[in-house]
Amino acid sequence: DQQVKQNSPSLSVQEGRISILNCDYTNSMFDYFLWYKKYPAEGPTFLISISSIKDKNEDGRFTVFLNKSAKHLSLHIVPSQPGDSAVYFCAASRFGGGSNYKLTFGKGTLLTVNP
Amino acid sequence: KAGVTQTPRYLIKTRGQQVTLSCSPISGHRSVSWYQQTPGQGLQFLFEYFSETQRNKGNFPGRFSGRQFSNSRSEMNVSTLELGDSALYLCASTSSAGTGINEQFFGPGTRLTVL
Repeated sequence: DQQVKQNSPSLSVQEGRISILNCDYTNSMFDYFLWYKKYPAEGPTFLISISSIKDKNEDGRFTVFLNKSAKHLSLHIVPSQPGDSAVYFCAASRFGGGSNYKLTFGKGTLLTVNP
Repeated sequence: KAGVTQTPRYLIKTRGQQVTLSCSPISGHRSVSWYQQTPGQGLQFLFEYFSETQRNKGNFPGRFSGRQFSNSRSEMNVSTLELGDSALYLCASTSSAGTGINEQFFGPGTRLTVL
């Protein structure tokens, strides 16, 4: 039973345009969400996170939106750059009791930004 | 500050053998988590150690085990290797400073191939 789903295995966008990566979750106990970026032969790198008490969090070109009622979050990258080409993972966790150190990941979306 | 290091980076074993992977967390980080990444399943949580104790555990068989030492370094062991254990094994460390922020910093991974 996959609790975090990234239904688009791949996404291709033009440089300078917006990239929107989507993620859905089924476990209503999740209250903290993270996005990671992964290049080949490297470990995932933390990008941005959001707590369930917020619906938006921005960091430079990256914005994460959370819709709790729909159990949906999205990562917006504006403007997209060729260096953003990587696999993006959505992850979720629960606060408290040490369980916030267990991340449940989606299967990832391969983003390709074309020059 | 040095990042998370994992050794070895690549490993080839045969079915039935056992293997031990090592992870050194970022200095000062006390929580170490292990994940298995495969093309079909994405990143799956194996277990998390904090202060030499296993605090969280994923849904993997008992052939997968781990431990943490007093210096926070961690090892994971897989016994009686199966072909399906071929994967990238990622280690992540977290500062666990009590802020609730649980961004995990990943190492480059150990690529295990079982023949």
